[in-house]
Amino acid sequence: QVQLVESGGGVVQPGGSLRLSCAASGFTFSSYGMHWVRQAPGKGLEWVAFIRYDGSNKYYADSVKGRFTISRDNSKNTLYLQMNSLRAEDTAVYYCAKDLRRSITWVDYWGQGTLVTVSS
Amino acid sequence: ETTLTQSPAFMSATPGDKVNISCKASQDIDDDMNWYQQKPGEAAIFIIQEATTLVPGIPPRFSGSGYGTDFTLTINNIESEDAAYYFCLQHDNFPPTFGGGTKVEIK
Repeated sequence: QVQLVESGGGVVQPGGSLRLSCAASGFTFSSYGMHWVRQAPGKGLEWVAFIRYDGSNKYYADSVKGRFTISRDNSKNTLYLQMNSLRAEDTAVYYCAKDLRRSITWVDYWGQGTLVTVSS
Repeated sequence: ETTLTQSPAFMSATPGDKVNISCKASQDIDDDMNWYQQKPGEAAIFIIQEATTLVPGIPPRFSGSGYGTDFTLTINNIESEDAAYYFCLQHDNFPPTFGGGTKVEIK
């Protein structure tokens, strides 16, 4: 069955950096687009970024554009989110999610999430 | 960007009740609406696609309706195992956006 396991969350100071990873299994990782979605405490979900199956196209929310970078290593079945210049408002649970197809359509599987706290 | 207004934010139901959760879009999104269920400590699961289609493996007590701007997730004869956080997602236009979520408690 599809499994998505996020890691790399933690506490970081404002202005700092963090890299999240998502280990995928149970499906042909290299054939599907992947998303990062986040949920701030007490708030609804916010889509963050998407990468096509082959890494050829990447899309970002305006709130993270220029600060976050999504990438993938299909040889390792792993998705990444490099987060730089972190702000307090980036504090959230970050979810890795699989798209239904190679290009952006919608999420069909989710991970359990990893918590990122930006605080001094 | 399409804003999704989901209601109620919280509800309490008794086993056997019929429960309706609403998601209203700020613009016409055809039937490009999905619903998901998330239980504490677990990954969210996909329950309804394209507004009305039940995802394989999901119990038939779950159903979806609506088109355009108004959508509803219905749970008939709700069971204790249905206690969860439910949220909607629109994929009609970029960026994809989510409703604020509904926490369903079973008495």
